[in-house]
Amino acid sequence: LAKTTQPISMDSYEGQEVNITCSHNNIATNDYITWYQQFPSQGPRFIIQGYKTKVTNEVASLFIPADRKSSTLSLPRVSLSDTAVYYCLVVPLSTGGFKTIFGAGTRLFVKA
Amino acid sequence: DAMVIQNPRYQVTQFGKPVTLSCSQTLNHNVMYWYQQKSSQAPKLLFHYYDKDFNNEADTPDNFQSRRPNTSFCFLDIRSPGLGDAAMYLCATSREGQGVLNYGYTFGSGTRLTVV
Repeated sequence: LAKTTQPISMDSYEGQEVNITCSHNNIATNDYITWYQQFPSQGPRFIIQGYKTKVTNEVASLFIPADRKSSTLSLPRVSLSDTAVYYCLVVPLSTGGFKTIFGAGTRLFVKA
Repeated sequence: DAMVIQNPRYQVTQFGKPVTLSCSQTLNHNVMYWYQQKSSQAPKLLFHYYDKDFNNEADTPDNFQSRRPNTSFCFLDIRSPGLGDAAMYLCATSREGQGVLNYGYTFGSGTRLTVV
């Protein structure tokens, strides 16, 4: 199973774009990259997933370079309510996607 | 709304007294998971069910057991809770394969277990 490394914490201000990078050096061919958001006393919430290049949805973008050894979650124009922990997960499709390991996550603090 | 429901939200149990946490889902997902999350740590997978097939993680203590009587319900049993078992317990569901990628894991709000 691929392990992930993220910055422990990041600070930002409202209205700024935030980029959180995750390293997953031993990612396998059939592994996909997903990101989750977790607020205190709640379960994690799925944000976005990708395999390579760029994926965009209504809340975020995900950039994955050709070697797939890292990925960057981009949150456009953050607000105070985006203060949360963000987890990068590598999902091994070869095992049905059942076994995945949460990394330590990145605590994002958005200030006014 | 289709969702994952965990009861109770808060549970206090005595040291060594068996406790059961419950999870139900209306998503009709065939995979259900239990995670343990201690304060300021990432969720740690304990085990999962793929339909009725139980899959234990290698480092999950024997003190933790699970039951899945039907598609909708899954239970976490802690046979003899110790102080170190105090944590948030998260239930999650998913489809399998490509379904995990398209829709992700859906988590409940968790049960916070206190051991006294």
